[in-house]
Amino acid sequence: RKEVEQDPGPFNVPEGATVAFNCTYSNSASQSFFWYRQDCRKEPKLLMSVYSSGNEDGRFTAQLNRASQYISLLIRDSKLSDSATYLCVVNRVNTGFQKLVFGTGTRLLVSP
Amino acid sequence: DTEVTQTPKHLVMGMTNKKSLKCEQHMGHRAMYWYKQKAKKPPELMFVYSYEKLSINESVPSRFSPECPNSSLLNLHLHALQPEDSALYLCASSQNPTRTLRDNEQFFGPGTRLTVL
Repeated sequence: RKEVEQDPGPFNVPEGATVAFNCTYSNSASQSFFWYRQDCRKEPKLLMSVYSSGNEDGRFTAQLNRASQYISLLIRDSKLSDSATYLCVVNRVNTGFQKLVFGTGTRLLVSP
Repeated sequence: DTEVTQTPKHLVMGMTNKKSLKCEQHMGHRAMYWYKQKAKKPPELMFVYSYEKLSINESVPSRFSPECPNSSLLNLHLHALQPEDSALYLCASSQNPTRTLRDNEQFFGPGTRLTVL
């Protein structure tokens, strides 16, 4: 089983739609969780850190379910500019907190 | 300001060349990272520097040699590379390798796109 698993997509949605991504991680002792977005041929940019209680930033909501070992990202009112690959990232356990493991990413395409 | 800069943006080199990639951050971060990313794949960790000391080497071949001259700078020296080393090389930094989630947020530079002929 991969350390971090994501549905590669692509998710094709119209503008204004709500879309949700899920990600599962294999090690129950993981403690740091993030969502990054990456545009084509660009660097990953931190979108949100995922706190235990869940957190919201504008149209974006991240949630953590430790019991089921999954992390979700909800995007409301999708914009064309949301088109990108969304990377789920988890720290690799027992190596300190510096090693991050990236999922393969979920591609989102928002159309007019 | 969460900016990490990298130079050059693009680099083409032959297998016998020696070149260096440079990375700089002025956020006072004490951890810096090198990643390699191939097309349609996620970034893969190569090296981690913590407080200017190499703390993690992910079994990277010796033709890649990292260097951290000071807390703001990180270099990656390249020598005798192979065509399969062609990739996007990303530098990142984070506040401090601690248990705090915020301290572990990593910020990436724009990368150097390397082509080895």
